[in-house]
Amino acid sequence: EAQVTQNPRYLITVTGKKLTVTCSQNMNHEYMSWYRQDPGLGLRQIYYSMNVEVTDKGDVPEGYKVSRKEKRNFPLILESPSPNQTSLYFCASRHLAGGQETQYFGPGTRLLVL
Amino acid sequence: SQQGEEDPQALSIQEGENATMNCSYKTSINNLQWYRQNSGRGLVHLILIRSNEREKHSGRLRVTLDTSKKSSSLLITASRAADTASYFCATVRNQAGTALIFGKGTTLSVSS
Repeated sequence: EAQVTQNPRYLITVTGKKLTVTCSQNMNHEYMSWYRQDPGLGLRQIYYSMNVEVTDKGDVPEGYKVSRKEKRNFPLILESPSPNQTSLYFCASRHLAGGQETQYFGPGTRLLVL
Repeated sequence: SQQGEEDPQALSIQEGENATMNCSYKTSINNLQWYRQNSGRGLVHLILIRSNEREKHSGRLRVTLDTSKKSSSLLITASRAADTASYFCATVRNQAGTALIFGKGTTLSVSS
């Protein structure tokens, strides 16, 4: 089954404790992206990757890092989480070519930073 | 920066009624997409309309696009309780056609 998976689905942590949210897709998509969703603000893009070893900042990259060492994985790293990073995070992927603009989203990771 | 803005923010209807949601955007687009999100879950792609298309249908969904007014509408006909969700329009921001810019969404509640 074609899907985007994220882990963990729920996470409670404390300020300053490094964490990683994993994202994996099995559709051989070149493009992967991270969004955060906050009430009243909608979805905002954090980082995206056009292919392996190619990443770039989205609209709200501060406080986050990403890596793309393999095509299927795109982890989101919070080196020193802060309470304002409490949010619902979504990973997404899509093909870059062939007119297939549809993005496929993971189920979301709900993060609470105390 | 927000590109798409949905209207209304919230909509409550009875089963069987039609639901119409509107989206306005600011800059020129290649395509506009509508997504659905059930509470706390991931977004699911519903339909994509290209800038050279004016109307598109998919099952009970009908999407229109007016590029002169920079607006789109999503019509759900004969709504069901299972249609209760948030609906987002999204436009492609960059030349590569990759980054989606989402609006804040319309929350639809369908009661039986």
